[in-house]
Amino acid sequence: AQSVSQHNHHVILSEAASLELGCNYSYGGTVNLFWYVQYPGQHLQLLLKYFSGDPLVKGIKGFEAEFIKSKFSFNLRKPSVQWSDTAEYFCAVNPSGTYKYIFGTGTRLKVLA
Amino acid sequence: EAGVTQFPSHSVIEKGQTVTLRCDPISGHDNLYWYRRVMGKEIKFLLHFVKESKQDESGMPNNRFLAERTGGTYSTLKVQPAELEDSGVYFCASSQDRRVQYFGPGTRLTVT
Repeated sequence: AQSVSQHNHHVILSEAASLELGCNYSYGGTVNLFWYVQYPGQHLQLLLKYFSGDPLVKGIKGFEAEFIKSKFSFNLRKPSVQWSDTAEYFCAVNPSGTYKYIFGTGTRLKVLA
Repeated sequence: EAGVTQFPSHSVIEKGQTVTLRCDPISGHDNLYWYRRVMGKEIKFLLHFVKESKQDESGMPNNRFLAERTGGTYSTLKVQPAELEDSGVYFCASSQDRRVQYFGPGTRLTVT
């Protein structure tokens, strides 16, 4: 079955620390890849997306992600986190030929001021 | 441009009762999706409408769940009768095409 794994369920960092959240998926075909973020009390917002082309994609608020096809991975990174990055982060995969997203379980990030 | 809206934001019902959730997509979006997140688990796909037609309902858990999208605008998701395991957050999303989906704030359903 198609699945998405986010190995870090809870992450606590101090401000200015670097962030990397892992995302791996199991699907052999072409995929669209996404990272969504849910800030406390808010709805899911698109952070960044990958459809094709340059495997390093940049999103909002200084986030970036790298698609490594051979590893079926789409890890999220930010060089220096801020307190306002405290949120839950979701990796999602959209397999080719379908419209649905398959989500990971989410990673709760807490940034200490 | 208004985003996806959902009503109610929170619903508490007793086991055996009926609840209807509503979703208003972004205007002009033909594609509408329902997802559910049970506490501590991943957000799971329930179904996909294209206009008023159900395109994919492979994620619907059982026949206690009924989704409709009359006229191709807003959608409702009815749970009848509700069971304890139906508790969770129900998200609605909409999109113009296959690519980016825009999510609503979710409805938190608690079945007691």
